[in-house]
Formats: sequence, structure tokens, C-alpha cells
Amino acid sequence: SYVLTQPPSVSVAPGKTARITCGGNNIGSKSVHWYQQKPGQAPVLVIYYDSDRPSGIPERFSGSNSGNTATLTISRVEAGDEADYYCQVWDSSSDRYVVFGGGTKLTVL
Amino acid sequence: QVQLQESGPGLVKPSQTLSLTCTVSGGSISSGSYYWSWIRQPAGKGLEWIGRIYTSGSTNYNPSLKSRVTISVDTSKNQFSLKLSSVTAADTAVYYCARHIAVAGTDYFDYWGQGTLVTVSS
Repeated sequence: SYVLTQPPSVSVAPGKTARITCGGNNIGSKSVHWYQQKPGQAPVLVIYYDSDRPSGIPERFSGSNSGNTATLTISRVEAGDEADYYCQVWDSSSDRYVVFGGGTKLTVL
Repeated sequence: QVQLQESGPGLVKPSQTLSLTCTVSGGSISSGSYYWSWIRQPAGKGLEWIGRIYTSGSTNYNPSLKSRVTISVDTSKNQFSLKLSSVTAADTAVYYCARHIAVAGTDYFDYWGQGTLVTVSS
């Protein structure tokens, strides 16, 4: 089965840039999607197809994907960006199923 | 604006079957090329995809849960449902329903329900 690896936590000061990684075998050949989840709330899609932003998501959120690592970048971090972030892919192997990373807690210092 | 709402018992006894329903509003569950999925999250842990259904009735399940899961759809009620059999305490989680987009060889979720907590306990 396909495994996605995320760092458990990332800390950043307000106004700085946060980078959250998602590692997987040849993940660059897959489309990666990212979700933001605040405490007690459902996840919200913030990036799809590696780097596209849904309507209503600030331009401060961007994504990239190459080789064995996908990255969610949050520029000019705000206190309201503090949340858990999950990457996700579709595993098109014989099992054909959705895979989530373990999640990264973003702390705004 | 599509909205999803989960409903069902918040407490299920061990070895019994967990049953949840997701009601879709703001659009027909049959319109567009969408799948509909169930996802769960144990307290303090990550997200786990359970399975998906297309309005034709075609399903795909997480291999780790496949033997215990059944997802069905009722287009007349704009609902889809989850049944998880032989539950144990490990199945205690917040259960989410979500709209599942499957395009160009990839899948993602653009709308989510608020989630419902299901506790497995005697």
C-alpha cells in the first residue's frame, strides 16, 4: 500500500513562510491534494491538483510536487492559519483507494 | 452551495453494526460525475477513508475495512449511507461524509459534512 509521510509538527512566526512536506514514493507522478482542519471542524480543501486553489482560499496558499516530495507553502502566515494539514492522493494500484498523510500540526508562534 | 449532513446513532455496542446516513442538499446527488465518500477520524488521530459510491451504485472500499463495510445510495432521498459491521472500540471516531471528485486519474473531496461522533461501547 502507498504511504504518505508528513512531519508531525511545523512552527512558524507570524508573517513568515511555512512549508509542510508530504513524502511518498515517486509522489511527483501523482496529483496531491491538501486539507486544512481546525479544531472541532471538518477538513477544508486548500490545494488540489498539486497547486490549484479552490475559490475562497487565499493566494498565500500554494503547492508544489516533484520527485518524492510534495510541499504546501503558506506565505505571510497568520494566526488563523494554525491548524492541522493533511496531504492526500489516490492510489491507482490494484486496490484503488484514497490515501491520507498522517497530518502536520502548524503552530503559529 | 452543496451541503452534507451526517445522521445516526452516537453510541453503538461492540459487535453490532454502525449505521449512518448522509443527506445532501443544495443539489441533486445524481447530478454531475461525483462520487460520495465516508471518511473517519479517531480522536486526536488522522483521517481514514472508508469508501465511496457512485450514483450508479458502484463502490470502492478501503482494503483494510472492505470485509465490514457497505455503502449504499438512495437517489430518491438524496442520501447515501454507511454500514460498518462487527464494530469494536477501535471504530470509535468522528465520521464524515464528503463529495468525492474523481477526474483524470485522481480523487479529492471538495465538500464535507460537519462530522458525527460515533462511540463504540457497551
